[in-house]
Amino acid sequence: QSVLTQPPSVSGAPGQRVTISCTGGSSNIGAGYDVHWYQQLPGTAPKLLIYGNINRPSGVPDRFSGSKSVTSASLAITGLQAEDEADYYCQSYDTSLSGSVFGTGTKVTVL
Amino acid sequence: QLQLQESGPGLVKPSETLSLTCTVSGGSLSSSNYYWGWIRQPPGKGLEWIGSIYYSGSTYYNPFLKSRVTISVDTSKNQFSLNLSSVTAADTAVYYCARAPRYSRTRFDPWGQGTLVTVSS
Repeated sequence: QSVLTQPPSVSGAPGQRVTISCTGGSSNIGAGYDVHWYQQLPGTAPKLLIYGNINRPSGVPDRFSGSKSVTSASLAITGLQAEDEADYYCQSYDTSLSGSVFGTGTKVTVL
Repeated sequence: QLQLQESGPGLVKPSETLSLTCTVSGGSLSSSNYYWGWIRQPPGKGLEWIGSIYYSGSTYYNPFLKSRVTISVDTSKNQFSLNLSSVTAADTAVYYCARAPRYSRTRFDPWGQGTLVTVSS
């Protein structure tokens, strides 16, 4: 039922920059609702990585950055590190569902 | 530091009701500043929001699950609970509880560690 689409996987070598897209529509991102991003390391609970489209919680390295366009958002990881290997999810609010929606998830692999 | 901990049976029979509790420590469930939510993740799959509750008892649910979901709050115990009725194997998942600010109800932070619930006879 996810209405936010992400690429299933992205990969990069250590030190490289990778980006993850999150494509929505007029009832969620396009309606102006904030996008949040979560990082889920293997076997652990998701952790808030970016909130309000571009903001990092305390303790999150500035290698992680978020951006938002009309009906989509992106997460960028610069200076990729082995510890960044995880699943990443975007999230927003959807008016047609009257609730929270998560993206389909993207697995980041460090080559 | 706020911590959330899920608890409940790890095995539920088909057609029965799944019941979980989230215990909040290091903070008050009675705060007017937060919503409290449940999210689940089937094995090997993505995240799905189930529903959220305000300390006053006001709730909102995922419309795809609404007919089977009840979320309640017990401020005296600093706990909130999830009941999911008529479960099937498709409800097998890790269930997480989490907190969200009142002004940003989708922003979940922090999360509990999660508890695996298997639906099987």
